[in-house]
Amino acid sequence: GENVEQHPSTLSVQEGDSAVIKCTYSDSASNYFPWYKQELGKGPQLIIDIRSNVGEKKDQRIAVTLNKTAKHFSLHITETQPEDSAVYFCAASKGGGADGLTFGKGTHLIIQP
Amino acid sequence: GAVVSQHPSWVICKSGTSVKIECRSLDFQATTMFWYRQFPKQSLMLMATSNEGSKATYEQGVEKDKFLINHASLTLSTLTVTSAHPEDSSFYICSASLPSGHGELFFGEGSRLTVL
Repeated sequence: GENVEQHPSTLSVQEGDSAVIKCTYSDSASNYFPWYKQELGKGPQLIIDIRSNVGEKKDQRIAVTLNKTAKHFSLHITETQPEDSAVYFCAASKGGGADGLTFGKGTHLIIQP
Repeated sequence: GAVVSQHPSWVICKSGTSVKIECRSLDFQATTMFWYRQFPKQSLMLMATSNEGSKATYEQGVEKDKFLINHASLTLSTLTVTSAHPEDSSFYICSASLPSGHGELFFGEGSRLTVL
């Protein structure tokens, strides 16, 4: 089955700086890659996703890049703010609605004021 | 985005009792819902896939007799933890996919179960 590796496990950046979280996946058939933000005691919230027919996607301060050949994808957050502090999970799936996601282990992002 | 609601958000029960957690899709019909379990500072682990009108599909290592899943309607799936023990204490999260089938999953707020 699919295996998703996520790095780093903890990332601390100064407010205003950029943060990058990286994930690799093992199943070349995976074609859907969402990123979730989870605040303490809450369920994950979808913040951005990308499909395998696209190399990059951007939504305001958040961007995701995908390298299908290398089987890795990354989350980029620019101009970080205190409210960006949370745990971020990457995931991969084959894209069908009935196909469950495989999650990475998560990255605890800490924004230092 | 789609809204998925869970109830209760937290529950404390005595060892040996059963606890039911509800997951509802509020503004769409979900033919498939997923139940995840999350231990502190760990990732989400898929427990089972719940399909409306049929039996749930459990992941390897998940006891189907202990974690009963019922998906009786297109907007409601329930997870019942039977004969709960302290090791069942965890954060249980459900998710639902949109009928369009493009893979987007939307998660509920989670239910914190503490078994004394």
